[in-house]
Amino acid sequence: DGGITQSPKYLFRKEGQNVTLSCEQNLNHDAMYWYRQDPGQGLRLIYYSQIVNDFQKGDIAEGYSVSREKKESFPLTVTSAQKNPTAFYLCASSLSRGFDQPQHFGDGTRLSIL
Amino acid sequence: RKEVEQDPGPFNVPEGATVAFNCTYSNSASQSFFWYRQDCRKEPKLLMSVYSSGNEDGRFTAQLNRASQYISLLIRDSKLSDSATYLCVLKLRGTYKYIFGTGTRLKVLA
Repeated sequence: DGGITQSPKYLFRKEGQNVTLSCEQNLNHDAMYWYRQDPGQGLRLIYYSQIVNDFQKGDIAEGYSVSREKKESFPLTVTSAQKNPTAFYLCASSLSRGFDQPQHFGDGTRLSIL
Repeated sequence: RKEVEQDPGPFNVPEGATVAFNCTYSNSASQSFFWYRQDCRKEPKLLMSVYSSGNEDGRFTAQLNRASQYISLLIRDSKLSDSATYLCVLKLRGTYKYIFGTGTRLKVLA
């Protein structure tokens, strides 16, 4: 079955530590996205990528970094510069710039500070 | 003004009731519209796209009013399993960017 796989499901970060969240898709989608969701809040865009080796900052990119070396993969690194990383992180993908193409989501990673 | 606005609710309705949510948007460059459902501590899942002529999927009906810049979702014969948060999402023309509302919470009561 095609889909988006995020790992790990739960992640704990120590002070000063960088952590990387994995996102892999086998839907052959062009675009991939990372969102952050805080309790009771909407989704906020961190980064997105339209094609391999290209990505754009979203609304809350500070303290995060990404790479897009393969079409299928879009890992997110939460750096030590992100002072409030505790949140639910969602990866999504979409087919193209075409009309009426929805996003599809992975099942998320919950990040907490130790 | 927020780009997408939704009444946060909660909407508490009895089983079998009909309930409707609206979502207003401010960017006229908005091209595509969607309703997603999000259960507690889960990822959003696509419920339906919203087409200009309106569309129906079983008990769910979506409408788009471009002149007044809002979309709506109607749920008929509510089930307990419909309890969730419903997210309004729009996609800007010519871009890959999606804008999410903060969601409307629905509780269907037995």
